[in-house]
Amino acid sequence: AQSVAQPEDQVNVAEGNPLTVKCTYSVSGNPYLFWYVQYPNRGLQFLLKYITGDNLVKGSYGFEAEFNKSQTSFHLKKPSALVSDSALYFCAVKVVQGAQKLVFGQGTRLTINP
Amino acid sequence: DTEVTQTPKHLVMGMTNKKSLKCEQHMGHRAMYWYKQKAKKPPELMFVYSYEKLSINESVPSRFSPECPNSSLLNLHLHALQPEDSALYLCASSRSGLAGDNEQFFGPGTRLTVL
Repeated sequence: AQSVAQPEDQVNVAEGNPLTVKCTYSVSGNPYLFWYVQYPNRGLQFLLKYITGDNLVKGSYGFEAEFNKSQTSFHLKKPSALVSDSALYFCAVKVVQGAQKLVFGQGTRLTINP
Repeated sequence: DTEVTQTPKHLVMGMTNKKSLKCEQHMGHRAMYWYKQKAKKPPELMFVYSYEKLSINESVPSRFSPECPNSSLLNLHLHALQPEDSALYLCASSRSGLAGDNEQFFGPGTRLTVL
């Protein structure tokens, strides 16, 4: 089965420090990978995606993610964290089952401390 | 317009009530989705409509009934729900249900409480 895993339930980072939110995938074939962010009582917002091409993908709000095929990882990164980055982050993989569907990881709660 | 809108924002209903959730997008997207999300958990896919046809039903109980009247609208009809159905219901859309590289755009959700 195609899936993603987020090994950390929670990540705490000091404001101004770099942040990393981890995601590993298990898919057959070429993966289509996505990162979404969810603020309290809100829907999910798309951050970035990897389809093909450059392994370093740049997205919204200064976030980027590095696709690593040998390590089957797609970690989300930001060079300098802001308190406003505190939210719930989901990694997802696109699965083909008739139509397309997203399979989400369990989510990582990111807290940026002032 | 790059928004997915959902109404109502909050809904409280009894187990014998009938209610409907509505979702609308004007981005010309041809795939629309319903998800259920419990607190601190990832969204769980319920239904996918592609070109106004139901293409995925993730074995959802029949007390949930989706409807796609046209390419911009998606409804979820609710009847005889259980308290465990209380959750945030999210609607999403994407440009196509067939191409793998389309990201999904999510609405803000409807917070449903079943008493």
